[in-house]
Amino acid sequence: QKEVEQNSGPLSVPEGAIASLNCTYSDRGSQSFFWYRQYSGKSPELIMSIYSNGDKEDGRFTAQLNKASQYVSLLIRDSQPSDSATYLCAPRGGSSYKLIFGSGTRLLVRP
Amino acid sequence: EPEVTQTPSHQVTQMGQEVILRCVPISNHLYFYWYRQILGQKVEFLVSFYNNEISEKSEIFDDQFSVERPDGSNFTLKIRSTKLEDSAMYFCASVRELQETQYFGPGTRLLVL
Repeated sequence: QKEVEQNSGPLSVPEGAIASLNCTYSDRGSQSFFWYRQYSGKSPELIMSIYSNGDKEDGRFTAQLNKASQYVSLLIRDSQPSDSATYLCAPRGGSSYKLIFGSGTRLLVRP
Repeated sequence: EPEVTQTPSHQVTQMGQEVILRCVPISNHLYFYWYRQILGQKVEFLVSFYNNEISEKSEIFDDQFSVERPDGSNFTLKIRSTKLEDSAMYFCASVRELQETQYFGPGTRLLVL
């Protein structure tokens, strides 16, 4: 059973649209959830963290968490070509502080 | 803004050789991590380190790997006898408190020939 599942994509959206990225995880003990952005050949860069059920907004980004469904998502509003990257979902294990990464969803924003 | 730094940015080595990858974590951070990413694959946890001890390691982190904080600022990952399958990007991360966000360095691209 995969620990963190993400659709690999690519998810292609036009500039200005909303991009919706989804992630499911298997460890029910996970308490913290992180979205990282990774450009090709670069290191993961933190976009958002979320710890409680519900929505958390930060600028154009909204993270949503549903622990009962073991589901976390990231919405990007007003998508820009510079948002084109791979988005990594990373829950932090309940009994461990390591990050467990999904394989990532590649987002393409068309000008 | 403080950053995690890593050296070298690229390393090419022959199979069987030892390599040392270096990281300088953010200065007031106490917990340190190494992750790796094989080309086209996901980022994988290798090891975490706190108070001069390994606190957790993955099954990837076998006897060929070791970590050290030799001088209070650097954090190193040593691979004793490299294999072809060790070719990957290696990322260092650090955090001040366990519940906080991990910040990643720019990575070292290791190529084993």
